[in-house]
Amino acid sequence: ELKVEQNPLFLSMQEGKNYTIYCNYSTTSDRLYWYRQDPGKSLESLFVLLSNGAVKQEGRLMASLDTKARLSTLHITAAVHDLSATYFCAVDTLGEETSGSRLTFGEGTQLTVNP
Amino acid sequence: ETGVTQTPRHLVMGMTNKKSLKCEQHLGHNAMYWYKQSAKKPLELMFVYNFKEQTENNSVPSRFSPECPNSSHLFLHLHTLQPEDSALYLCASSQDFGDYSNQPQHFGDGTRLSIL
Repeated sequence: ELKVEQNPLFLSMQEGKNYTIYCNYSTTSDRLYWYRQDPGKSLESLFVLLSNGAVKQEGRLMASLDTKARLSTLHITAAVHDLSATYFCAVDTLGEETSGSRLTFGEGTQLTVNP
Repeated sequence: ETGVTQTPRHLVMGMTNKKSLKCEQHLGHNAMYWYKQSAKKPLELMFVYNFKEQTENNSVPSRFSPECPNSSHLFLHLHTLQPEDSALYLCASSQDFGDYSNQPQHFGDGTRLSIL
């Protein structure tokens, strides 16, 4: 069974600081997604990482993927209050007997950025 | 209207009631998904439909019954639910080429379900 583990699960940080969220997974995959969820809202796609060594950046967020280590990171640079949300990683695996991809999600990291 | 739309946004029902959740996608995708999001647990995939055909049922109890009349609409019929079924139910869609997708799944805002 595929396991996807994020840490930390809860993160409280000051504005202006840097931090990294980690996503470890237990099976071979070279497709990983990061999503953001605000309270009471839908999941919003942040990054699509499609190969080993992939790095994507958008504003204060940067995501990377190391398929050999089965690890993805989401790095936050100079955090601002607007980044407060829950962040999920999701690993893409093909269905065993059926076509198409299947996402397995981590538990999510609840980020609070304090002024 | 664009994206993935779910109705209702909130639903309170008794254990003996029958209700349905609706999802509609306006993205031209060919695959649709139901997920359950419970407090302190990862999102759980429930059902997958590809070109209107159910391709996965992730060991979901029979009190949940999906229906996909076409590639744009997905329903989740509910009957005799249990209190532990209270959760946020999310619908998603994607373009599925039968292989790894290079595009993310797009999610609706969800239906917050409470079972009394």
